[in-house]
Amino acid sequence: GIQVEQSPPDLILQEGANSTLRCNFSDSVNNLQWFHQNPWGQLINLFYIPSGTKQNGRLSATTVATERYSLLYISSSQTTDSGVYFCAVEHDSSNTGKLIFGQGTTLQVKP
Amino acid sequence: DTGVSQNPRHKITKRGQNVTFRCDPISEHNRLYWYRQTLGQGPEFLTYFQNEAQLEKSRLLSDRFSAERPKGSFSTLEIQRTEQGDSAMYLCASSLGGGGARTEAFFGQGTRLTVV
Repeated sequence: GIQVEQSPPDLILQEGANSTLRCNFSDSVNNLQWFHQNPWGQLINLFYIPSGTKQNGRLSATTVATERYSLLYISSSQTTDSGVYFCAVEHDSSNTGKLIFGQGTTLQVKP
Repeated sequence: DTGVSQNPRHKITKRGQNVTFRCDPISEHNRLYWYRQTLGQGPEFLTYFQNEAQLEKSRLLSDRFSAERPKGSFSTLEIQRTEQGDSAMYLCASSLGGGGARTEAFFGQGTRLTVV
């Protein structure tokens, strides 16, 4: 099956710093989503981005499908950005919407 | 619409007991998914419904697990004879699907199961 690898596994930042999270996947995809898991466990949708670039406030994401990676940029980080960030993909052959998740990047933003 | 809703939020049960969780998807979504997440891991797919039909089940879904979506709306996930290894967060998601629809998935708050 398709493999999803996220890096780095852990990241500690000072408030105000910028960061880049990476997601590599091993095969063609027709869906890619970035999520932020809050302290209560809910997955919050950040981006639906099978290809291209999107921005939402301090967050932006880029997916280069032909090179099988996606990047999530966080600028001017705040303590509320802390948590686990997941990348999830749907394999191109799936047509079910089933998502395969990476192991996540745990971000800690210090005041 | 208030999004995907799951109940209960937390469940503590004794080993060997049966438990049932409920998921109410976003009303216009025809697809519904169950995932399981253990500590320090990403969610793993369990099963998927399109309308009322259960179309795929993971090998993770042992015979003790059963899921239903009787009218193509809410879904239930039942675990019989719970074991300590069933302790996890159970996540439900819904999406549109088929016919070229955008298949963005939205997740509920999850049900955290602890088997003691």
